[in-house]
Amino acid sequence: KQEVTQIPAALSVPEGENLVLNCSFTDSAIYNLQWFRQDPGKGLTSLLLIQSSQREQTSGRLNASLDKSSGRSTLYIAASQPGDSATYLCAVRPIQGAQKLVFGQGTRLTINP
Amino acid sequence: NAGVTQTPKFQVLKTGQSMTLQCAQDMNHEYMSWYRQDPGMGLRLIHYSVGAGITDQGEVPNGYNVSRSTTEDFPLRLLSAAPSQTSVYFCASSFDRARELFFGEGSRLTVL
Repeated sequence: KQEVTQIPAALSVPEGENLVLNCSFTDSAIYNLQWFRQDPGKGLTSLLLIQSSQREQTSGRLNASLDKSSGRSTLYIAASQPGDSATYLCAVRPIQGAQKLVFGQGTRLTINP
Repeated sequence: NAGVTQTPKFQVLKTGQSMTLQCAQDMNHEYMSWYRQDPGMGLRLIHYSVGAGITDQGEVPNGYNVSRSTTEDFPLRLLSAAPSQTSVYFCASSFDRARELFFGEGSRLTVL
């Protein structure tokens, strides 16, 4: 059974720092991995989608990497800003049961001014 | 762009009442799904659909019913609400299994 883990559960850093959020998954048989952001009381906003054949994707200050063989993904946020404060979730789409994304519990990120 | 639209945003029900959460998308997506999000439990799949007329159960389908008569709409029905169904419900859609999943803003349901 696919399991997705995000460590740490919470992270607090000063503004301007570069930071890395981690995501690990137990089964490498995936179509893709997606990173989301969720603000309090809001829905999930898609940040980046990495297909299983890709190693990384970039969008602005965000860079996501994927190492399928080791079951790991990282989300790198450059020059963090208070507006980046949110919960970040990663999710994998397994090859078996592709209709169901498997989510991690998320990392709650706080950027302090 | 409207994306994925859910209504209502908030709802309070009494135990035993029924209601329908509406979900519509304007992106011509084939895949649509309903998740619930609970503290400590993360996001759990309730039901999903891979196209009009095709639905199937997810992890936690009991007490919920769905139908997919059009590509655009995927309503979630609570047959007889129970306090355990107090949750935030999210509808999501994607063009296919290789594409991004897009979420609605959520519907917060309280069952008394």
